Amino acid sequence: QKEVEQNSGPLSVPEGAIASLNCTYSDRGSQSFFWYRQYSGKSPELIMSIYSNGDKEDGRFTAQLNKASQYVSLLIRDSQPSDSATYLCAAGPSGGYQKVTFGIGTKLQVIP
Amino acid sequence: EAGVTQFPSHSVIEKGQTVTLRCDPISGHDNLYWYRRVMGKEIKFLLHFVKESKQDESGMPNNRFLAERTGGTYSTLKVQPAELEDSGVYFCASSQEVGGGTDTQYFGPGTRLTVL
Repeated sequence: QKEVEQNSGPLSVPEGAIASLNCTYSDRGSQSFFWYRQYSGKSPELIMSIYSNGDKEDGRFTAQLNKASQYVSLLIRDSQPSDSATYLCAAGPSGGYQKVTFGIGTKLQVIP
Repeated sequence: EAGVTQFPSHSVIEKGQTVTLRCDPISGHDNLYWYRRVMGKEIKFLLHFVKESKQDESGMPNNRFLAERTGGTYSTLKVQPAELEDSGVYFCASSQEVGGGTDTQYFGPGTRLTVL
């Protein structure tokens, strides 16, 4: 079983729609969760971090965490073609100063 | 503020040769991490420095890999001798906070290593 599991996609959504990206993790000791965006050939860029159950909103992005279900999601509202990228879900023990375990990443395609 | 930089961006070597990758973290960041992504697989943790000390090297594949961070600034990752399965993209990341609380790891552009 993979430690952090994501569907590799591609996930295609029309421009303006809500993109929903999902991730599950196996280590119940994980306390910190991250979503990174990676454009092709570029470095991963942190877009959201979440540490507590519930929702966390930042602009068009909402991260959701459910520790009981070991489930993390990322919603992107009003999707834009520039959001087309691979989204990496990651989990860490506590804080971001220790090693982070990544999922395979979900490729998102926003269709104009 | 300059980001994390890595050198070289690409390296093509033959099996059995030695390669040294370099990472310059963001100035003032005590934490430095090395990760690797093999084609088609997840990004995998290799090791973590806090300043010049190895905090966690549980992800290092074997003793052909040697990481150093002399003086707590830049870091090098040497692969000697390189094998075919070492091919992949090697990412370096750095973060500021030491201990507790939240933290953000900033990634470099990566070094693409190809072993022929």
